[in-house]
Amino acid sequence: ELKVEQNPLFLSMQEGKNYTIYCNYSTTSDRLYWYRQDPGKSLESLFVLLSNGAVKQEGRLMASLDTKARLSTLHITAAVHDLSATYFCAGMEYGNKLVFGAGTILRVKS
Amino acid sequence: EPEVTQTPSHQVTQMGQEVILRCVPISNHLYFYWYRQILGQKVEFLVSFYNNEISEKSEIFDDQFSVERPDGSNFTLKIRSTKLEDSAMYFCASRTGNNSPLHFGNGTRLTVT
Repeated sequence: ELKVEQNPLFLSMQEGKNYTIYCNYSTTSDRLYWYRQDPGKSLESLFVLLSNGAVKQEGRLMASLDTKARLSTLHITAAVHDLSATYFCAGMEYGNKLVFGAGTILRVKS
Repeated sequence: EPEVTQTPSHQVTQMGQEVILRCVPISNHLYFYWYRQILGQKVEFLVSFYNNEISEKSEIFDDQFSVERPDGSNFTLKIRSTKLEDSAMYFCASRTGNNSPLHFGNGTRLTVT
């Protein structure tokens, strides 16, 4: 059974700083997803990582996947207040089941 | 941009009552899902549905739960006899194929009293 672990679970950052959220998963998962959730809202897809070494960037966020280490990272560059949200990584278990990590609550302070 | 729509946005029900949560997935999507999230905590998988049948279900999805795609557009989740611990936000999601992300609806907040 696929288990997905994120750390840290809570991250308080100053605006302008860089930081990385880590996502480890327990068994083979050939697809890794990142989602953003604002309080009381739905889950918004950020990135889909399909292969080892995949790197995707959108604005101040960059995601990467290392399938050998079973690790994905979400790097935040020069954080701004608008990035405050909860970020989830999720792996696709064999079959048709997306398994989510516990989420990282990001607070960017001005 | 097409989106997954869910109704109602909030449902209050008494313990032991049946509820039906409704979803209209994006029209060309083939895979459908229900997830739930208790008070901003972890997003828990309930069930996936493909080709008019359940493809995966979790331990949470016991005999009290069922899903249906009655008319080719709606996708419903029924809870036969609700319990207090069923109170949560229920999200419907859909996707086109294996490499595409799940697109989530805005959720139905279910409160069981």
